[in-house]
Amino acid sequence: NAGVTQTPKFQVLKTGQSMTLQCAQDMNHEYMSWYRQDPGMGLRLIHYSVGAGITDQGEVPNGYNVSRSTTEDFPLRLLSAAPSQTSVYFCASGALAGQPQHFGDGTRLSIL
Amino acid sequence: DAKTTQPNSMESNEEEPVHLPCNHSTISGTDYIHWYRQLPSQGPEYVIHGLTSNVNNRMASLAIAEDRKSSTLILHRATLRDAAVYYCIYAGGTSYGKLTFGQGTILTVHP
Repeated sequence: NAGVTQTPKFQVLKTGQSMTLQCAQDMNHEYMSWYRQDPGMGLRLIHYSVGAGITDQGEVPNGYNVSRSTTEDFPLRLLSAAPSQTSVYFCASGALAGQPQHFGDGTRLSIL
Repeated sequence: DAKTTQPNSMESNEEEPVHLPCNHSTISGTDYIHWYRQLPSQGPEYVIHGLTSNVNNRMASLAIAEDRKSSTLILHRATLRDAAVYYCIYAGGTSYGKLTFGQGTILTVHP
């Protein structure tokens, strides 16, 4: 059972480039979310989805887009990378609101 | 905002019990109390959660105050592997599982 899989694990981008962080889960969870974690800080919610076709903004959504075409996948798109988006990004999934969330191992993103 | 208050850091010796406190005075009646921990360079790991009653699992125990405004995570015998940042979070109800992470408590375990 793979759980939550994030790719890539590391990425370096130049300012202005775009890219997509991938997240896939094999637990048939309805709820998926993206967080970012800056050094020495707790995680902050970027976007979340309560099911295929349904997404909503979290605490820090600016500069990021998401879509949820399937239950399994929840990609995060950076439209035009900025140095302020240098961070570690975590994807999570859960069965229901209020139930435990399962986190991936993270994508470490550096933007020069 | 689903804010919780935790001590910045705590220390313990190996094989001793650890009690990690958390205040969550604005919790609603339908919110679950969650504890996650994060080891260095890893994603958060679920530890335990509960609603009203005390809860036990293979990793830890969760003691919830009668008024639900505070809780305590109990590690019965700390090991070196338990050294991590521990986050107390409440979620559920209308929050759709959105987790609001604070700074957490850095737990240091001494051999």
